[in-house]
Amino acid sequence: AQSVTQLGSHVSVSEGALVLLRCNYSSSVPPYLFWYVQYPNQGLQLLLKYTSAATLVKGINGFEAEFKKSETSFHLTKPSAHMSDAAEYFCAVSGGSYIPTFGRGTSLIVHP
Amino acid sequence: EAGVAQSPRYKIIEKRQSVAFWCNPISGHATLYWYQQILGQGPKLLIQFQNNGVVDDSQLPKDRFSAERLKGVDSTLKIQPAKLEDSAVYLCASSSDSDPGELFFGEGSRLTVL
Repeated sequence: AQSVTQLGSHVSVSEGALVLLRCNYSSSVPPYLFWYVQYPNQGLQLLLKYTSAATLVKGINGFEAEFKKSETSFHLTKPSAHMSDAAEYFCAVSGGSYIPTFGRGTSLIVHP
Repeated sequence: EAGVAQSPRYKIIEKRQSVAFWCNPISGHATLYWYQQILGQGPKLLIQFQNNGVVDDSQLPKDRFSAERLKGVDSTLKIQPAKLEDSAVYLCASSSDSDPGELFFGEGSRLTVL
């Protein structure tokens, strides 16, 4: 079985500041890991995914995440926040079935 | 390429009434998922179809929820009778056999049960 814990239901940053959204996972098999973004009144969109290749994964809109097996973490970062990054972010994990199990989400708030 | 289409976008019903949601996945995507997203929570898988067969429906409340994908393309999710706790956004997603790990989501159907 797989599960995901997202630390912090809300993260607030100033425009131009570093974005760090935390995700820890639990998996009985080598995991696939994902970050999805959800803008208001829209469906989820894939930001990036880890599938056992490079541990540092680059995604869309300048986001990246690093898989750290020893820490069972897959934190999402972006060097400089933009107002348009304000959204809900979901970390997800899947095993061999590819069916993702989602975390509770972290709401990113960007202040001007 | 057209995305995942869902309807209706919004639905308000009273408890004990019935409701149906429709989903048309991306053309060529064999796998279709229905997720339930309650306010403040992450999406929870209700059912997964591979073509027109059910792969996983372990979290579908079968006493009131049903879903079908008769021709392996579009799908319908039905709730009868609805309860207050069914108020949520129902998300449909699809994925291709060539990249099963990437799900493409529709905009969702928001259900309010009064």
